[in-house]
Amino acid sequence: AQSVTQLDSHVSVSEGTPVLLRCNYSSSYSPSLFWYVQHPNKGLQLLLKYTSAATLVKGINGFEAEFKKSETSFHLTKPSAHMSDAAEYFCVVREGTGNQFYFGTGTSLTVIP
Amino acid sequence: DAGVIQSPRHEVTEMGQEVTLRCKPISGHDYLFWYRQTMMRGLELLIYFNNNVPIDDSGMPEDRFSAKMPNASFSTLKIQPSEPRDSAVYFCASSLKGQTNTEAFFGQGTRLTVV
Repeated sequence: AQSVTQLDSHVSVSEGTPVLLRCNYSSSYSPSLFWYVQHPNKGLQLLLKYTSAATLVKGINGFEAEFKKSETSFHLTKPSAHMSDAAEYFCVVREGTGNQFYFGTGTSLTVIP
Repeated sequence: DAGVIQSPRHEVTEMGQEVTLRCKPISGHDYLFWYRQTMMRGLELLIYFNNNVPIDDSGMPEDRFSAKMPNASFSTLKIQPSEPRDSAVYFCASSLKGQTNTEAFFGQGTRLTVV
C-alpha cells in the first residue's frame, strides 16, 4: 500500500535561512515521488520529481530533494528562503505501475521578513 | 499545449441546483483525475479515469456526484442536487502512465460556492 506522511503541518522560517520540509513515504513498488507547490488561490505546480534516475533531484526556484530509500524519505530543501516561497507544499507518491497519486496532507510554509 | 483547462473558474449556485464542472486534459494523456480541496479535508481524490474508463470512484462522496469522460479530450463532474457542504475548489489533473515523466498536470481549479 502507498502512503505519504508530511511530518510538519506548518513551518516558519526567516527570509534568507534554509528551508526543510519533511516527507516520508511507503510504497510496495519502486515509487515515483513528487513535490508540488500551491500558492494562495492557485493550482498545484510541480516543483520537482524523482523517477529513479538520480537520488538528488533539483527543481525550480532553487529547491532540491533527496531520495533516501533506506529512510523512505524525500525531504525538500532550499538553502535560502525567499518571501515568494510562502505557500502550501505537497509531497506525492505514485507507485511504479503508475496509477493514482497519493498526496500528503501538506505543509504550510511561512517566510518571515 | 495550453495545459489542463477547467471551466468555469468560479461558480456560485443555489442549494438544490445542478452544477456541471468541465475539464479538458492535455492531449495524449491517459489518466484524468478529479480532486476536491477544502480547508477541513484537504485534497481528496474523487474519481479517476484511464483511457476514458472510470477506474476508481470510491472517493465520490455520494450519489449526488457523478463524473463522465465521453472522449479523451473532455470530462465532466456533475453535482445534482448541490448542497452548501459541496462548496470547495475542484481540480482536474491529467497524466501519462509510465516510469518517467509521470507527473500530474493540474488545471487552475473551479471554485464552487453553494449558497
